[in-house]
This record gives sequence, C-alpha cells and structure tokens, in this order.
Amino acid sequence: EAQVTQNPRYLITVTGKKLTVTCSQNMNHEYMSWYRQDPGLGLRQIYYSMNVEVTDKGDVPEGYKVSRKEKRNFPLILESPSPNQTSLYFCASSLLGGLAGDSYNEQFFGPGTRLTVL
Amino acid sequence: AQKVTQAQTEISVVEKEDVTLDCVYETRDTTYYLFWYKQPPSGELVFLIRRNSFDEQNEISGRYSWNFQKSTSSFNFTITASQVVDSAVYFCALSEARYNFNKFYFGSGTKLNVKP
Repeated sequence: EAQVTQNPRYLITVTGKKLTVTCSQNMNHEYMSWYRQDPGLGLRQIYYSMNVEVTDKGDVPEGYKVSRKEKRNFPLILESPSPNQTSLYFCASSLLGGLAGDSYNEQFFGPGTRLTVL
Repeated sequence: AQKVTQAQTEISVVEKEDVTLDCVYETRDTTYYLFWYKQPPSGELVFLIRRNSFDEQNEISGRYSWNFQKSTSSFNFTITASQVVDSAVYFCALSEARYNFNKFYFGSGTKLNVKP
C-alpha cells in the first residue's frame, strides 16, 4: 500500500531533550516536506527536500533540522525542543516538485505526529 | 502578511444546505497553484483539488465546486446539499513559481460543522 508513515505518532518530552521524528514513504517520491499545524495558524511549512541531499527552508525552520540521505526517508530533528514546538507535525511527499507539471504536484500526507514539549 | 486568508474560522449548517468556504490569496507571481485539502475529525489530510493560475474555469466534482477568480484573488469552494460526512476542517493553499512550486502556504482553515 502506497503510504507516508511517521513515527512516533505521539510523543511527550521535556525541554532540551533531543528528539527525531521519522518520516518514510514507499512511493519513490523525490519531494518531501514537513509541516506543523497549530490552532488558528493552519499548516506551516518547516523544511522541504527536492531530492537526496537537497533541502531548503520553509516558512518556520527555526529550531528544526532535517536530513535527506535516502530518497524514502526525511527525518525531522529537534536538537533542543522547547514548549513552543508543541504541535501536530505532518510529513508529506510528492512524486516530483512542482516544476514537473500538474500531475506531480499532489502531496500525500502522513498521519501526523502529536508532539508535546513540557 | 498572510499569503492565504480563510476568514471564516467556523461555519455551521444543517444537512442539505449549500455552503461556500472562502479563500483569498496574495501573490506577485503570475504562475502559481491553488489547492484545497480536507481534514476530517480523524486527522488525516485529503487532497481535493489543484488549480493553476492560467486555468480560470470553474470546476465541479459531484457536490463540490470551485470558483477561481483572479480579479479578486479568490478560490472559493462550495459544497452543495451538504452532508454530515462533509464535517471537517478545510484548508486552502498556495504554491508559487518563484519557489519552483516547492513552498506551500496554507490558510488557517475553516471548520465546517454539518448538523443532521
């Protein structure tokens, strides 16, 4: 089954304790992206990756790191989490970035990871 | 400034009513894409439609229709004869040519409650 998976789905942690949220897709997609969803703010893009070893900042990258060493995986790293990073996080992927045209612009989203930083 | 504005935070309707969700966007690009996504209570995000800036034709898909008007920078979404299963948060989003369509801007969402 074609899907985007995220782990963990729920995480409660404390300020300053490094954590990684994994994201994996099995569709051979080149483009992957991370978003956070907060009440009243909708989804905001954190980082995206156009391909292996190619990443770029979204709208709210501060406090986050990403890496793309393999096409299927795009982990989100919080080196020193703070309470304002408490949020619902979504990973997404699409076949190619938007340049390829209409068919490749659809993003498939993972189920979300609810993170609480105390 | 918000690139995508969904001014309606929450809307409640009774089943079978028609409802329109508003989306206003802001961009300096002439080439861009607009999207609508649905987030039902279960939490997943479901893609509904994509429209590029050169295609102003309205689109209809079953009970759903979309009205794209460049003159008013709006991309509104209408559900005809709403059903309880339409209850969800709906997001409008924008992707611009200047970022090779790799950056996405979402609105804050409109929560639609459809009551039986």
